[in-house]
Amino acid sequence: EVQLVQSGAEVKKPGESLKISCKGSGYSFTKYWIGWVRQMPGKGLEWMGIIYPGDSDTRYSPSFQGQVTISADKSISTAYLQWSSLKASATAMYYCARRSVSIAVAHDAFDLWGQGTMVTVSS
Amino acid sequence: DIQMTQSPSSVSASVGDRVTITCRASQGISSWLAWYQQKPGKAPKVLIYAASTLQSGVPSRFSGSGSGTDFTLTISSLQPEDLATYYCQQAKSFPHTFGQGTKLEIK
Repeated sequence: EVQLVQSGAEVKKPGESLKISCKGSGYSFTKYWIGWVRQMPGKGLEWMGIIYPGDSDTRYSPSFQGQVTISADKSISTAYLQWSSLKASATAMYYCARRSVSIAVAHDAFDLWGQGTMVTVSS
Repeated sequence: DIQMTQSPSSVSASVGDRVTITCRASQGISSWLAWYQQKPGKAPKVLIYAASTLQSGVPSRFSGSGSGTDFTLTISSLQPEDLATYYCQQAKSFPHTFGQGTKLEIK
């Protein structure tokens, strides 16, 4: 089965570090970009950044550059999103998603999503 | 960044109604636009890509149109299971920004 499975919910204190994961299976993990999307409670979707596991090419939204780090380990088909020092404002659901691209037909969309990881940051 | 603006922010309609949601880009994005549906408590799901191409498995009552800066998502005959929030996303340039969402309620 083609799927992305994310790590479980996390409860952290401000200032702590965190790394959440997204494991792909059922397809060639190195041939598709993996993106991360934030959804704060009751709010909309925010595109955070994206990585190509084949060569670790990574792009960030300016809104998230320097706030998080996106990485991938292609040997275990897993992408990561990490924080070095969490703030309360990081409380949100985080989704990973696979980017499907076909330049010839303007096809570029997240066609496969993980189930989401809820991160709660509270003292 | 390219800004995406959806309207309306919320809409209430009856089963069988035709529903239209619009999305405007702050600059031209050709046909690099996708639409997503997010049901309560679930991950989003892509409905349409390339502005008008229906993703495999999506019911044909969903359709998309537009090019350049103005786009629409239409549900031809609203069904109860269409209760969700709908988002547009541009894929012309990074970051691939989303619209703020349109919440669709069933009367």
